[in-house]
Amino acid sequence: AQSVTQLDSQVPVFEEAPVELRCNYSSSVSVYLFWYVQYPNQGLQLLLKYLSGSTLVKSINGFEAEFNKSQTSFHLRKPSVHISDTAEYFCAVRPSGTGGFKTIFGAGTRLFVKA
Amino acid sequence: DAGITQSPRYKITETGRQVTLMCHQTWSHSYMFWYRQDLGHGLRLIYYSAAADITDKGEVPDGYVVSRSKTENFPLTLESATRSQTSVYFCASSESLAGGMNTGELFFGEGSRLTVL
Repeated sequence: AQSVTQLDSQVPVFEEAPVELRCNYSSSVSVYLFWYVQYPNQGLQLLLKYLSGSTLVKSINGFEAEFNKSQTSFHLRKPSVHISDTAEYFCAVRPSGTGGFKTIFGAGTRLFVKA
Repeated sequence: DAGITQSPRYKITETGRQVTLMCHQTWSHSYMFWYRQDLGHGLRLIYYSAAADITDKGEVPDGYVVSRSKTENFPLTLESATRSQTSVYFCASSESLAGGMNTGELFFGEGSRLTVL
């Protein structure tokens, strides 16, 4: 079984400041890792994903996340946030084998960017 | 339009009533899922389906029923709604993992907000 812990329920930050949203996971099998973003009154959409290879993955809008196997973490970072980044962010895992298709989500982190 | 659509988007009902939330996807994805979103819990899996006529329980299935007679539809029924089922419900779909480097990324609908009085 897998589990995901997002260490911060809310993160307030000023515009243009850096931010880190923390995610730790637990799994007895290898997993794929994801960050999804949810803007107000919308469904979730994929922000970035780690499958294999380079442990640092990046999104098109400046976010990046690093897979740390020894610490079982997948923290999300952005060096300079914008007001438009205000949203809820979910870390998620699913088994990487062909038989694994259930995605497990963390409780979410609300990022609030202030002017 | 292509994608995944949920209906109704908003629903208010009373305790004990039956409610069905609809989900329709146009991608022909094999897998479909129902999640509920509650503050402090994130998204919790209710039921999932690997193909037409194949469904299975997730983390929180009690009080819910699903069916999947066609690949594109995956309705969720609350047979006798309770206040604890007040939530936002999300349907999602995903391609099969077979046949290569498919990651099983989830594609979500916009959600159905259900209030049980």
